[in-house]
Amino acid sequence: QSVLTQPPSASGTPGQRVTISCSGSRSNIGSTAVNWYQQLPGTAPKLLIYSNNQRPSGVPDRLSGSKSGTSASLAISGLQSEDEADYYCATWDGSLNGWVFGGGTKLTVL
Amino acid sequence: EAQLVESGGGLVQPGGSLRLSCAASGFTFSRYTMNWVRQAPGTGLQWVSYISSSSSTIYYADSVKGRFTISRDNAKNSLYLQMNTLRAEDTAVYYCVREDTVFTNYYYMDVWGKGTTVTVSS
Repeated sequence: QSVLTQPPSASGTPGQRVTISCSGSRSNIGSTAVNWYQQLPGTAPKLLIYSNNQRPSGVPDRLSGSKSGTSASLAISGLQSEDEADYYCATWDGSLNGWVFGGGTKLTVL
Repeated sequence: EAQLVESGGGLVQPGGSLRLSCAASGFTFSRYTMNWVRQAPGTGLQWVSYISSSSSTIYYADSVKGRFTISRDNAKNSLYLQMNTLRAEDTAVYYCVREDTVFTNYYYMDVWGKGTTVTVSS
């Protein structure tokens, strides 16, 4: 079981808006920022969102992140077929002294 | 452009050892904290180990504590992971990952290598 909890799957049709949730605790999400990663099949994870809601250069603004208390979410608007991938939330856990990840959410574009 | 290239993976028998290496380029390696993250087949990401820029602070996941050793050589722009007493459950792709910081106390892992595959099997 992962320290952070994500839904195993999510789906939407092209153009729709989907959100992926990530739930943690006071020692992780409740204490510091959340980052989000996208992983396409057979490739390394790619940073999508850092510090809750910041996008690295090159990441489109139709992707956004937010955090409230011990939960965070990733929103993807204007869904495209290329968004079909696995998405992971991650943050530092001060009690475990290590990075913790969500179990991953497989996003399907119908 | 920052780049990380892992090497050293392979097939090893249970109880055996392996040393992974990660070559960094395109950034000042000595200024960054580094991590190893792994991904077992068909599963999610699992953090393995952390080493600060000067090697003064090191952390391990409980699942590898006492068996794995992380180290770095800033003069060679290289990160290492010595893996001993390997188990079948250590089978995974191992990623070398750079850690950066913003707003003083917000951290994130931003640069990932392509990974090296470790298979523990008899």
